[in-house]
Amino acid sequence: LAKTTQPISMDSYEGQEVNITCSHNNIATNDYITWYQQFPSQGPRFIIQGYKTKVTNEVASLFIPADRKSSTLSLPRVSLSDTAVYYCLVGDMDNDMRFGAGTRLTVKP
Amino acid sequence: ETGVTQSPTHLIKTRGQQVTLRCSSQSGHNTVSWYQQALGQGPQFIFQYYREEENGRGNFPPRFSGLQFPNYSSELNVNALELDDSALYLCASSLDGGPYEQYFGPGTRLTVT
Repeated sequence: LAKTTQPISMDSYEGQEVNITCSHNNIATNDYITWYQQFPSQGPRFIIQGYKTKVTNEVASLFIPADRKSSTLSLPRVSLSDTAVYYCLVGDMDNDMRFGAGTRLTVKP
Repeated sequence: ETGVTQSPTHLIKTRGQQVTLRCSSQSGHNTVSWYQQALGQGPQFIFQYYREEENGRGNFPPRFSGLQFPNYSSELNVNALELDDSALYLCASSLDGGPYEQYFGPGTRLTVT
């Protein structure tokens, strides 16, 4: 079962690019990598998902190296409203889904 | 489009009691997953239901059980409540099983005393 490891916290400033890396050394062939954002007293919100290489959508990019043992969520030009906890989730078609402990991102003015 | 809803919002139970939590999935979604989130921790996967059948389970004891109904809404039942069951219980809906994009509800805060 792929265990995920993320930094506990990160600080950034408005307008900067933020990169959050998740380690998942034991990732299995069928595992997908998904990132979620969570604000206090709310359920997590889907950000992006990938299997390999690079995925980009309107809010973020996800970089996955060839060995898939890690992934990096990239948030371009963060704002104060991006202050939240970001979770990396590794899951497979058998639905053994594991969230990491989360990275608390604080964006400062 | 109706989002994921959960009821009740908050609940207080006594150790040893039983509890039922409810979830209505997003319109068009046929899969519901349940998670337990302790304070300050990431969500822990309990199980997933796809088209009324259990479709994967995390490391939770059998006293955690569930149901999915023909309209794809779902219930989470917990028997013999323990103090450590106090947590936020999250429901997420998605399409066609699997680890795909999930839409989470606001959660039910359960306190066991």
